[in-house]
Amino acid sequence: QVQPVESGGGVVQPGRSLRLSCAASGFPFSSYGMHWVRQAPDKGLEWVAVISYDGSDKYYADSVKGRFTISRDNSKNTMFLQMNSLRAEDTAVYYCANDHGDYAVPLIWGQGTMVTVSS
Amino acid sequence: QSALTQPASVSGSPGLSITISCTGTSSDVGGYNFVSWYQQHPGKAPKLMIFDVSSRPSGVSHRFSGSKSGNTASLTISGLLPEDEAEYYCSSYTSSSTLVFGTGTKVTVL
Repeated sequence: QVQPVESGGGVVQPGRSLRLSCAASGFPFSSYGMHWVRQAPDKGLEWVAVISYDGSDKYYADSVKGRFTISRDNSKNTMFLQMNSLRAEDTAVYYCANDHGDYAVPLIWGQGTMVTVSS
Repeated sequence: QSALTQPASVSGSPGLSITISCTGTSSDVGGYNFVSWYQQHPGKAPKLMIFDVSSRPSGVSHRFSGSKSGNTASLTISGLLPEDEAEYYCSSYTSSSTLVFGTGTKVTVL
């Protein structure tokens, strides 16, 4: 079963940090680019970041650039999202997904992990 | 990067067809054949329905089809079924090597 599984969400105060994980199984993780996409409560989808299969290329949405860092550990089939200087507007369900190709198509999505930024 | 523009809602009767539009710019939709469409039921993760403008992943019904003209992409659902009722999002690759999603369209099967 191809299914990424996100973890690490929770409630955090504004200005603090949180690290999300995405554990992958059912597909050759080290051969796929990986995406993070988020969805604020009752809002639409917002792309966050993508990392190449080997971690050499990373791209970010302007809204998170300089605050969030995407990374991966292919030996553990796991991707990460380090989120610093969190703001209330970062509150959302965070999904990870593998890439269909060309880092342009999130393919199989996990069920998401909720991040709430609140004092 | 501004979100791509979709109609807020589209409705249709069972068995008929509907089309959802997705309008961007020459820096995203118009500039690349990397337009995708996602279906999302309430409380569920999005599911890829169309990629590369008009390709269907394995397992997706032939009732779903995609096209593009200029800066506007379209998703057509033919032979509407009750289970097609969901939120639909388009996405496009951009000139900044990022992705941008559409505003989302609520599809109602009457």
